[in-house]
This record gives sequence, structure tokens and C-alpha cells, in this order.
Amino acid sequence: AQSVTQPDARVTVSEGASLQLRCKYSYSATPYLFWYVQYPRQGLQLLLKYYSGDPVVQGVNSFEAEFSKSNSSFHLQKASVHWSDSAVYFCATGNYKYVFGAGTRLKVIA
Amino acid sequence: EAAVTQSPRSKVAVTGGKVTLSCHQTNNHDYMYWYRQDTGHGLRLIHYSYVADSTEKGDIPDGYKASRPSQENFSLILELASLSQTAVYFCASSERTYEQYFGPGTRLTVL
Repeated sequence: AQSVTQPDARVTVSEGASLQLRCKYSYSATPYLFWYVQYPRQGLQLLLKYYSGDPVVQGVNSFEAEFSKSNSSFHLQKASVHWSDSAVYFCATGNYKYVFGAGTRLKVIA
Repeated sequence: EAAVTQSPRSKVAVTGGKVTLSCHQTNNHDYMYWYRQDTGHGLRLIHYSYVADSTEKGDIPDGYKASRPSQENFSLILELASLSQTAVYFCASSERTYEQYFGPGTRLTVL
């Protein structure tokens, strides 16, 4: 069965610092992987996606993620965070039926 | 313009009452989904549909029914609402195996 683990429920970083949000997946075949962001009282917005090919994928707002088959991971990264990046981030996997991680709440402080 | 809309955005229901949540998409997508989100948890799939007039059970279908009368519309029905169904409900659509696009959510409180 598919599963997604986001080991960090909350992450706090300083504005301008780099960021990594971790995601581990379990899937029998080559997975489709996604990162979504949820701002307060809003729906989920797609940040980036991985289907195949180059393991480093670029997304919106300077986010990127790296797929690692050997580590079963799809970590989200950003070189320099802004206060507006404060939100909840979800990793998901699936082939039309998604499985979501529990989410990581990111807080960016001045 | 928002491509996936939900109504109502917020609802208070009484235990044992009937609740219908509606979703409309203008993406021309075949697949539509209903998820629930509980505080501190990710989204869990309740029902989905890949063609009009047909619905499929997701991971947590108990206590919920779904209806897909057209490609654009997908409803979630709680025949006998219970306290445990208090949650935020999200609708989404996708083009088969591609990324899903989410609506703004409906906050349901069952008292």
C-alpha cells in the first residue's frame, strides 16, 4: 500500500534562511509525487510535481524538490524563505488516487 | 477565475440531519474527488468519480454517499450527519493521472 511520511510536524526558520521539508514515500512502482501548499482557510495549491526524468524538479515561487529512489524520498527545498512562505505543506503520492502526508506547518520568523 | 468551486463554504448541521456539499469544476476534467481534512492531519479520500453517473469508494467512504450527475458537478451527501463528520471537506478535479486541482473547502460543523 502507498504511504507518505512527513516526519516534521512543525518547522520554524528565519527569513532568508534555507529550507528543507522532508517527505518519505512508500510505493511499489515508480511514483508520481507532488508537493502542495495550503494557506490559512484556503484550498491546496500545487507547488511542483514529479512524474519521471530529471530527479530535480522546479516549482513555483523558487521551490524545488529532489526525487531519490534509493532513499524513497522527495524533499522540498528553497534557498531563501520569505515570511509569506508560512503555510502548511503537504507531500502526496499516487496515480489519480492520492495518499497525503500529515503535513508540515512552516513558520518563517523575522 | 476559480476552476473548482464549492458550496457552501461553511455549514452548521445538526446530528442526524442530512447534509449535501456541492462541487463544480470548469476544468473539463474527467476525475473528481472528495476529501476530508481533520485538524493536524492530511487529506483522506472519501469518494471519487471518473465519469458522470458513476462514483467509486475511496479510503474512508463509510457514512458518505456521492453523486456525479454531470462532468462538471460532484456532490457529497451525509444522510445522517454525526459529530465525527465535523471536518473541512475539499473537492478536487484532475485529468486522469495528472495533478489535482482543489477547491477552497467547506467547513462543516455537526452539533
